[in-house]
Amino acid sequence: DAGVTQSPTHLIKTRGQQVTLRCSPKSGHDTVSWYQQALGQGPQFIFQYYEEEERQRGNFPDRFSGHQFPNYSSELNVNALLLGDSALYLCASRVQGSTEAFFGQGTRLTVV
Amino acid sequence: GENVEQHPSTLSVQEGDSAVIKCTYSDSASNYFPWYKQELGKRPQLIIDIRSNVGEKKDQRIAVTLNKTAKHFSLHITETQPEDSAVYFCAANNDYKLSFGAGTTVTVRA
Repeated sequence: DAGVTQSPTHLIKTRGQQVTLRCSPKSGHDTVSWYQQALGQGPQFIFQYYEEEERQRGNFPDRFSGHQFPNYSSELNVNALLLGDSALYLCASRVQGSTEAFFGQGTRLTVV
Repeated sequence: GENVEQHPSTLSVQEGDSAVIKCTYSDSASNYFPWYKQELGKRPQLIIDIRSNVGEKKDQRIAVTLNKTAKHFSLHITETQPEDSAVYFCAANNDYKLSFGAGTTVTVRA
């Protein structure tokens, strides 16, 4: 079992551009959440997907959007990138109804 | 929404001593409290968790306590070892959404 996998591991984008990050959940998991972790801070909840729908959303602007595919994998899209979007983006997966979440290794996004 | 505060932000201990990290939460509906360990450049890893119907849980050198009335929970690491050096995050789960503390950087001095 490969666990939760994310791609790419590192990414550099220019302010104003758009980015797509990808996540494959742990085998048997059907719910995916995305978190933003700024340097020196704890992860902040962005949103959660289950059955291909956004179920919950944190305090992030509409520039942040996502998608879940039938195989439970997920994408995070960020439009009109700002310098402040530079962070480690973490994906976490779990089984619906279970509280135990497993994290991927993250995608380090740098906006210049 | 849920607000989790974590103290201290940094903690330096001598190898073999104990380390204690404390967290408070604001939403009484939170019912699950995991602790994650994050080494530099690596993913957060779940090290122990506790549910709201339990007051204490222990796993080898790690223990967690929960006081629902006071809305605080703590992580205790005994007999610390150099490999315990990392950033530790507490979190509170409310409606399957995790709210994290700001983290504690633990350094174990040899």
